[in-house]
Amino acid sequence: DVKVTQSSRYLVKRTGEKVFLECVQDMDHENMFWYRQDPGLGLRLIYFSYDVKMKEKGDIPEGYSVSREKKERFSLILESASTNQTSMYLCASTPESVGNTIYFGEGSWLTVV
Amino acid sequence: RKEVEQDPGPFNVPEGATVAFNCTYSNSASQSFFWYRQDCRKEPKLLMSVYSSGNEDGRFTAQLNRASQYISLLIRDSKLSDSATYLCVVNMRGNTGKLIFGQGTTLQVKP
Repeated sequence: DVKVTQSSRYLVKRTGEKVFLECVQDMDHENMFWYRQDPGLGLRLIYFSYDVKMKEKGDIPEGYSVSREKKERFSLILESASTNQTSMYLCASTPESVGNTIYFGEGSWLTVV
Repeated sequence: RKEVEQDPGPFNVPEGATVAFNCTYSNSASQSFFWYRQDCRKEPKLLMSVYSSGNEDGRFTAQLNRASQYISLLIRDSKLSDSATYLCVVNMRGNTGKLIFGQGTTLQVKP
């Protein structure tokens, strides 16, 4: 069974804290993604990576950075968390070929107070 | 205009009803199309891919209309367990696998 694991499911952080969200996939997929999902706004792409050490900005990269040092791991970093970053964050991966299924992690629910 | 648009609903239907959702996309060069299902507070999961010729999986039928730039999902004989949000997903680029999600359409099947 394919597996995308987000290690932190529920987090509460204070404004200004640095936050790391980790995602690991065991399918040897090239592409990995970070989305956030908010009511009424749907899924919005933050960053994606199509190879180790490669990254591209998505639609809403402001306030976020990412790291992909190993193929299986894609980390999302909030350098200084703010209340408007309270959201559900979804990590996903796909193999390189276009049109392949995207597999999601279970989500990380982040509350910034 | 959003790249992928869906009517958010909710669609409230009785058990056994047939219900259809549409999703429109703006980029005529879009290559791949999917329907995902998302239960409350869960991650999206693939329901079905959408092929040019249309495809069926049990009670679910998906169709693609490239000329009018929309995809559809038809659910026959609705079950209570079909209650969920259905996300339309479109691949807008060639090689990087970037996918664009619609906002989702919420379906509530009532007894």
